[in-house]
Amino acid sequence: EPEVTQTPSHQVTQMGQEVILRCVPISNHLYFYWYRQILGQKVEFLVSFYNNEISEKSEIFDDQFSVERPDGSNFTLKIRSTKLEDSAMYFCASSEGAQWGTAVATEAFFGQGTRLTVV
Amino acid sequence: GNSVTQMEGPVTLSEEAFLTINCTYTATGYPSLFWYVQYPGEGLQLLLKATKADDKGSNKGFEATYRKETTSFHLEKGSVQVSDSAVYFCALKTGNFNKFYFGSGTKLNVKP
Repeated sequence: EPEVTQTPSHQVTQMGQEVILRCVPISNHLYFYWYRQILGQKVEFLVSFYNNEISEKSEIFDDQFSVERPDGSNFTLKIRSTKLEDSAMYFCASSEGAQWGTAVATEAFFGQGTRLTVV
Repeated sequence: GNSVTQMEGPVTLSEEAFLTINCTYTATGYPSLFWYVQYPGEGLQLLLKATKADDKGSNKGFEATYRKETTSFHLEKGSVQVSDSAVYFCALKTGNFNKFYFGSGTKLNVKP
């Protein structure tokens, strides 16, 4: 069964360092997402990506964050200068798409997450 | 705005007990509703969904009915098993880009 794969499963980084979280979405999917969950809090939307550009981003997704699909298979989240408060579980997801003008549910498939710890 | 509220956990039940996890929502527009489950060490998996009022989503013995009048989507199972131990997330989605709004998750512990 196709699945979304995230690497690494756990990343420890020093405050101020750059970190790149990697995701391999399901191959025929067109929409890609990053979410995060700070320990004990809600899973929060960060960004969605379609057709090689950001389609929507939350207010959390500031200039420290960027996303890229560098080679047609990987989807990365870069945090330029990590802060302690960036420590969280980061989930990548992908979906086939959505019908324009509707809210028809299309299933999003999530990866197992990368736990980022900033020290 | 859009938000989801679900009951605080953890919920601890004995095997074969009845499960209810409450979920209510607020939404602009007409959302689709979802339950996701996260087993230990794994990612979020879609458990069930409903796209319009009065729809019932069901899977693996779990059920939830989209109640527009009470803005609720409570998860139920008649007889839980130890293997159901996991964190359950209620979520809604509106619009075109699969932007989900999740609840905070409810941890379920089922004891033999």
